[in-house]
Amino acid sequence: GAVVSQHPSWVICKSGTSVKIECRSLDFQATTMFWYRQFPKQSLMLMATSNEGSKATYEQGVEKDKFLINHASLTLSTLTVTSAHPEDSSFYICSARGGERGVEGTQYFGPGTRLTVL
Amino acid sequence: RKEVEQDPGPFNVPEGATVAFNCTYSNSASQSFFWYRQDCRKEPKLLMSVYSSGNEDGRFTAQLNRASQYISLLIRDSKLSDSATYLCVVNMNNQGGKLIFGQGTELSVKP
Repeated sequence: GAVVSQHPSWVICKSGTSVKIECRSLDFQATTMFWYRQFPKQSLMLMATSNEGSKATYEQGVEKDKFLINHASLTLSTLTVTSAHPEDSSFYICSARGGERGVEGTQYFGPGTRLTVL
Repeated sequence: RKEVEQDPGPFNVPEGATVAFNCTYSNSASQSFFWYRQDCRKEPKLLMSVYSSGNEDGRFTAQLNRASQYISLLIRDSKLSDSATYLCVVNMNNQGGKLIFGQGTELSVKP
């Protein structure tokens, strides 16, 4: 099956710093990537959808200036948490969907990045 | 009201038991349905898609009732390795293929 990687797998940072998380599709071209966040004992919440070469679409309540998403190539999307604070500590998971920009394709999930902000 | 709601857990069952998970969704425009499994501190993994005709994969049976907007998952002869959180997921095809996740039901299978 298709493989999606994320880097780093975990990160600890000080409050006020910025953290960049990479999501890569290793063996297919991902026209669309999704970024989710999961707090303990809660479900995955979609933060934003990004299509290669265009601006990301953010879900209601997600600050686009705080969570910067770049999808510059068909195999790489990045999420930058700017000026991170302890309440941003969470499990960030990306998924990638290949093929045409249709909606039927399977989403393949990355292994997630655990962010802890001190 | 949440878009996708599941049974609150956790479910604690002995090995060999049959377990049923229930899920309801609020948006009648939802078009695709799935059950995912998530192990602790890991990403969710697709368990099976759910079709109106019902579908079975070994010990797992999934059912969909579009009229009542209800989805179920049945696990027969549960194994220790089935212990995980089970997520009901709806694909909003008319919203760019967004996946909406339920809050999950934790299953713990004991020896």
